[in-house]
Amino acid sequence: DAGVTQSPTHLIKTRGQQVTLRCSPKSGHDTVSWYQQALGQGPQFIFQYYEEEERQRGNFPDRFSGHQFPNYSSELNVNALLLGDSALYLCASSLVIPSGGEDGYTFGSGTRLTVV
Amino acid sequence: DQQVKQNSPSLSVQEGRISILNCDYTNSMFDYFLWYKKYPAEGPTFLISISSIKDKNEDGRFTVFLNKSAKHLSLHIVPSQPGDSAVYFCAASEGNTGNQFYFGTGTSLTVIP
Repeated sequence: DAGVTQSPTHLIKTRGQQVTLRCSPKSGHDTVSWYQQALGQGPQFIFQYYEEEERQRGNFPDRFSGHQFPNYSSELNVNALLLGDSALYLCASSLVIPSGGEDGYTFGSGTRLTVV
Repeated sequence: DQQVKQNSPSLSVQEGRISILNCDYTNSMFDYFLWYKKYPAEGPTFLISISSIKDKNEDGRFTVFLNKSAKHLSLHIVPSQPGDSAVYFCAASEGNTGNQFYFGTGTSLTVIP
């Protein structure tokens, strides 16, 4: 049973560039959430997608955008990269209505983005 | 504005003893709480949860206690094992119907053999 898969695992980009990160949710999950984890911090909520629409959004600028596809996979796009965007980006999948035994999210291993 | 706080960045415990990890929150609307464990180079893994209708939830060696009046929860690990060495994150949300989770900054637990 495949869990949450994220690609790529590591990425180095130059300030001002654009980046796309990808996520395939756990089988059976319908919701994808994206989190940013800066060094020494806890994960910070970016946004959540359900039924191909942005369902919730955290306190992140419009440079951060996303997409969910009909197969529930998702992309996170960041435009005009800043040095401060360097972080671990975590994708988490879940059911919008949790079933019995489901708690919280299933996280992927993350994409480590370094902006230079 | 950190709504979930873990004030101890690190904790060291002898193998076999109890580990107690603490978490405080400020938002009284939070009614669902979880603990995640994270190893290096891996994503966080769900450990245990508790809803605000309870004050205690147990799962094997792990017990979470919730004190709503103090807006405080704690994770007890008994007995602690070297494999428990990891970073532990506390998270909170308003309900468990897909709402966003607010995470603390984590506590790094080291269990000494």
